[in-house]
Amino acid sequence: SQTIHQWPATLVQPVGSPLSLECTVEGTSNPNLYWYRQAAGRGLQLLFYSVGIGQISSEVPQNLSASRPQDRQFILSSKKLLLSDSGFYLCAWSGTREQFFGPGTRLTVL
Amino acid sequence: RKEVEQDPGPFNVPEGATVAFNCTYSNSASQSFFWYRQDCRKEPKLLMSVYSSGNEDGRFTAQLNRASQYISLLIRDSKLSDSATYLCVVDTGTASKLTFGTGTRLQVTL
Repeated sequence: SQTIHQWPATLVQPVGSPLSLECTVEGTSNPNLYWYRQAAGRGLQLLFYSVGIGQISSEVPQNLSASRPQDRQFILSSKKLLLSDSGFYLCAWSGTREQFFGPGTRLTVL
Repeated sequence: RKEVEQDPGPFNVPEGATVAFNCTYSNSASQSFFWYRQDCRKEPKLLMSVYSSGNEDGRFTAQLNRASQYISLLIRDSKLSDSATYLCVVDTGTASKLTFGTGTRLQVTL
């Protein structure tokens, strides 16, 4: 069966520091991969999606970037965090229709 | 108009009650529809897909009205464990991207 891992689970970072969040998927090949952010009390905002290695589409202009160095690995990065980057970051994969989420990383930028 | 609109609630219902959630979507080209459940501070989890003919999974029934661009979820015999936020989700028609509603919060009480 397929599983999706994200780490770390929680993170507290100062403004201006770098960020790297990692997501890996097991049990499937060539999945579509997604990064979402959910701000407190808000809906899910799609940040990036990838249909293959090295293929990244950005949905909204922002302070973040994404990379997909391997088929089942998706990384979210920032060179300098802003206060507004705080939120719940979720990675998801899909085969054809439904999306399945990892446990998420709760990021607080102070 | 939002792509996916839901009544945010909260819906406060006693155990054993029947509760219905509604959702409207704006993209007439959408082909896939889902309900997800999100517990507090957790990732969204797929509850059920929604098919044109309507579908049932135990106490849960989903309906789709393409002409009105309207989706519903009915929960019968509510349990305390049903307390969560229910997200209406619609595909965008490209790259398996989904649009999530902001969710309807359900609180089931004794």
